[in-house]
Amino acid sequence: TQLLEQSPQFLSIQEGENLTVYCNSSSVFSSLQWYRQEPGEGPVLLVTVVTGGEVKKLKRLTFQFGDARKDSSLHITAAQPGDTGLYLCAGADGGTSYGKLTFGQGTILTVHP
Amino acid sequence: GAGVSQSPRYKVAKRGQDVALRCDPISGHVSLFWYQQALGQGPEFLTYFQNEAQLDKSGLPSDRFFAERPEGSVSTLKIQRTQQEDSAVYLCASSYLPGELFFGEGSRLTVL
Repeated sequence: TQLLEQSPQFLSIQEGENLTVYCNSSSVFSSLQWYRQEPGEGPVLLVTVVTGGEVKKLKRLTFQFGDARKDSSLHITAAQPGDTGLYLCAGADGGTSYGKLTFGQGTILTVHP
Repeated sequence: GAGVSQSPRYKVAKRGQDVALRCDPISGHVSLFWYQQALGQGPEFLTYFQNEAQLDKSGLPSDRFFAERPEGSVSTLKIQRTQQEDSAVYLCASSYLPGELFFGEGSRLTVL
């Protein structure tokens, strides 16, 4: 069974601060995704990283895939209240052609004005 | 609509009742997934359809859970004889390309 551990579970910061969320596993994934989920909504895909060592930037968000494709991080620069939400990492099972996803337990981010 | 549509959004059931949750995927999306999300947790895989074929049901927690997609479009997740531990948000997702999942808003089931 593939497991993904996210840390921290909860993060409460002030507007303008920087933060990093980590996603770790002992398993290798063919790709790793980050989602953001707001209360009462389904997760929304932010990014997919595929290659070990890959770095992707999405405005103030920077995503990195570990060299061994077992871990990933999400860094947010100058957080804003609109960044508040549940951040989920999800690893794709390379053993299936349809990209079966294993999710971490999530990081609840609260950004205070 | 343009997105994945799920109904009902909220369902309260008494223990022992049967429930049916519906998912209307994005038109043209071949793949359809059901996930279960307990409070404060990430989603957990339940089952996968490619068109009308159920290719993976390894995540269904018991034989009380049954999913179908008879015409390769709308899917229904049925839970028989509901138990309190079945209380969760049930998420449906569809995709055209592997790995690019579009999730619905979910159906929140509360079993009393």
